[in-house]
Amino acid sequence: GAGVSQSPSNKVTEKGKDVELRCDPISGHTALYWYRQSLGQGLEFLIYFQGNSAPDKSGLPSDRFSAERTGGSVSTLTIQRTQQEDSAVYLCASSSRREGHREQFFGPGTRLTVL
Amino acid sequence: ELKVEQNPLFLSMQEGKNYTIYCNYSTTSDRLYWYRQDPGKSLESLFVLLSNGAVKQEGRLMASLDTKARLSTLHITAAVHDLSATYFCAVSYSGAGSYQLTFGKGTKLSVIP
Repeated sequence: GAGVSQSPSNKVTEKGKDVELRCDPISGHTALYWYRQSLGQGLEFLIYFQGNSAPDKSGLPSDRFSAERTGGSVSTLTIQRTQQEDSAVYLCASSSRREGHREQFFGPGTRLTVL
Repeated sequence: ELKVEQNPLFLSMQEGKNYTIYCNYSTTSDRLYWYRQDPGKSLESLFVLLSNGAVKQEGRLMASLDTKARLSTLHITAAVHDLSATYFCAVSYSGAGSYQLTFGKGTKLSVIP
């Protein structure tokens, strides 16, 4: 694909439900990032994957949040027992090791609304 | 902890005028980014600045970096309505092992005809 893709584009869920958000990075990009954009907190880093290395989870706000990256490509961000404060746009980005991770390319985002 | 401050947060300017958005960051960084975001859209990369004194220009936008002052500026020349958007600066430090970006709060620019 030409760019980073994310699905779904919009997700409405009820408080307490689990949700899964998907990110498909640019082909060949070894690094993948999740960010969250909310009115109150702005743009925040959540988690970073690089190849087969252990992910940097330092930005995850609680243990309800987890992410995995299978086969070094597609990533899934899972939020368990969603809360209203989880409502935000979740953005995924990827970068290329060959280019020294100089630039991150962002996907269109998933808008999550927790009722 | 790396912090990024942008100012102003809101900017209303007339077409044809010039203005500058400022981005200060708190600790060592070797990469400075400027992004544009239109309402309901994702982030579009404008500039990547990698060294002290770097200056990049694209159309009516020019970005510069002073690593000693930990300051970047985004200068708008002869603004046009199409430049209305929110502009974010972001920094990262490659020595941290993770290339995560720390963002400023953004500057919402409105260009008035």
